[in-house]
Amino acid sequence: DAMVIQNPRYQVTQFGKPVTLSCSQTLNHNVMYWYQQKSSQAPKLLFHYYDKDFNNEADTPDNFQSRRPNTSFCFLDIRSPGLGDAAMYLCATTRAGRSGDSYEQYFGPGTRLTVT
Amino acid sequence: AQSVTQLGSHVSVSEGALVLLRCNYSSSVPPYLFWYVQYPNQGLQLLLKYTSAATLVKGINGFEAEFKKSETSFHLTKPSAHMSDAAEYFCAVSESYGGSQGNLIFGKGTKLSVKP
Repeated sequence: DAMVIQNPRYQVTQFGKPVTLSCSQTLNHNVMYWYQQKSSQAPKLLFHYYDKDFNNEADTPDNFQSRRPNTSFCFLDIRSPGLGDAAMYLCATTRAGRSGDSYEQYFGPGTRLTVT
Repeated sequence: AQSVTQLGSHVSVSEGALVLLRCNYSSSVPPYLFWYVQYPNQGLQLLLKYTSAATLVKGINGFEAEFKKSETSFHLTKPSAHMSDAAEYFCAVSESYGGSQGNLIFGKGTKLSVKP
């Protein structure tokens, strides 16, 4: 089945130690998103790639970076994690730019990040 | 700017009872609307979507939603709740213009509890 895969599912890192979360997709979608979701809150968009174009949300901290080396993969880098960065990180994809696209997003299972 | 309001952060129903989760949106153009479900420690799963076709939309797991333009609503219903329906539900509208086209605006979510 076509899907969005996130690894690892659970990640523990130390305060200030860089960490990378990965996302891959077999849907061949051209748009990939990274969200941060804290307990009992809606997902908060951090940034997205539209094809190769990177789009950062205005309130996303500089501590968060992303890379998309090809269509299938996207990475979230947290350069110096703080205690406040502990959250669930969700990757999502969609197809956009073609007639009839409905922009429904397909989500991965998420990576739960713990910062000690 | 588009926005989504979900009335009731927590809804509790008895097994077999009607489920009604409320969602109102604001949008200056005909929107794309979505309902997602999230089970604990998992990603979001699409329940159903409205993309300007039929106003009554049927989704997975027996859920449906009706788009009412006059009321700017897109409430989610299920005739008979099942224990497995206990989860968090998010209503979302898709940005329809400019560089954010396709981005989802989420409501704050409604946590559904089902009592035996």
